Amino acid sequence: QQKVQQSPESLTVSEGAMASLNCTFSDGTSNNFRWYRQHSAKGLEVLVSIFSDGEKEEGRFTAHLNRANLHVSLHIREPQPSDSAVYLCAANTGANTGKLTFGHGTILRVHP
Amino acid sequence: NAGVIQTPRHKVTGKGQEATLWCEPISGHSAVFWYRQTIVQGLEFLTYFRNQAPIDDSGMPKERFSAQMPNQSHSTLKIQSTQPQDSAVYLCASSLGTETLYFGSGTRLTVL
Repeated sequence: QQKVQQSPESLTVSEGAMASLNCTFSDGTSNNFRWYRQHSAKGLEVLVSIFSDGEKEEGRFTAHLNRANLHVSLHIREPQPSDSAVYLCAANTGANTGKLTFGHGTILRVHP
Repeated sequence: NAGVIQTPRHKVTGKGQEATLWCEPISGHSAVFWYRQTIVQGLEFLTYFRNQAPIDDSGMPKERFSAQMPNQSHSTLKIQSTQPQDSAVYLCASSLGTETLYFGSGTRLTVL
């Protein structure tokens, strides 16, 4: 079964500096990958969905997928204090199910 | 669009009592998912429905947990004889199909 590992566990950046988060997968069975964000005591907010190798940009959020390396990253341009949250990556488990396996998350703190 | 609505936001039960959690998916979405989130295990898939039919309940504990979707506007997750280890945030999500999941804010269940 697909396993998802996120790094780093926590990250602190200054406002305006690029933030980069990483996610690796245990196998190549997934065909779509998503980054979600979760603010304290709230639900998950989808940021970027990516289905093929390369980059996908949604506003200040850019995901980069490399299937051969079983790796997907998220880059946050000009992060703001309001971006402080837990970031979760997810991969679908099984073809066309919509069922997701999540990593444990990266805690991002953005200082003014 | 109010998003996915989960009620109650918080529920406290005594050990051995029953807990019923409610989810109203986004109107028009054909798939409903239930996940459980704990500090130790992270986000874990429990079960999902498509067009009200149960599709995959592989993540559901075999005893005491059950989920239903009696109509397209709501789903319930019922936990009988709750135990302290059932304490978690239970998240419901809906999607149009195999596309992006949209999550509710969750129900925080505390079993004393």
